[in-house]
Amino acid sequence: DTEVTQTPKHLVMGMTNKKSLKCEQHMGHRAMYWYKQKAKKPPELMFVYSYEKLSINESVPSRFSPECPNSSLLNLHLHALQPEDSALYLCASSPLPGVEKLFFGSGTQLSVL
Amino acid sequence: AQSVTQPDIHITVSEGASLELRCNYSYGATPYLFWYVQSPGQGLQLLLKYFSGDTLVQGIKGFEAEFKRSQSSFNLRKPSVHWSDAAEYFCAVAAYGNKLVFGAGTILRVKS
Repeated sequence: DTEVTQTPKHLVMGMTNKKSLKCEQHMGHRAMYWYKQKAKKPPELMFVYSYEKLSINESVPSRFSPECPNSSLLNLHLHALQPEDSALYLCASSPLPGVEKLFFGSGTQLSVL
Repeated sequence: AQSVTQPDIHITVSEGASLELRCNYSYGATPYLFWYVQSPGQGLQLLLKYFSGDTLVQGIKGFEAEFKRSQSSFNLRKPSVHWSDAAEYFCAVAAYGNKLVFGAGTILRVKS
């Protein structure tokens, strides 16, 4: 299995909702990443988990809350989002911490109404 | 700070024609450089990467890129473009730690 699987593929939520994005990999990778990509823009790093511990938080607002319950799973909990948070959220993983070999999922397209 | 410039927002080429996508970077040392491709609504796929050694790097799908230190460039090339190559292409540089900094992207259109 050489895939990074993200669910759901599409999500529409209101500003008062709480939702979660899920990312899974079974490649034994020990680093996982969340990127945010707004329309017609490049991806921007949000969080990095290394060995299940948060190692990088790129000053992301607290309405985004990451969680890494185990080495295969990465969640992004969403609460009280704003319409400007609408974007494609990409998960990635790498065998070891470091960007030399990133594997990206297909993303979750999030719309905040 | 590290930065990546892709000067062409859109490029249109005819199927079968050659392709060159430009990328310039700003970095204090020899960087790790990457090219990724993204189809609409999809994740990114790594085409090729340069860390050190031979400055001409071969990648997947018939792509290659050349690292030119004197020009701070890492241009992507393909001798003959196929319609399936239509996508958005991102050049990226590895910043300190676990961070990729992406260029703004170049959208490739292929006309038949």
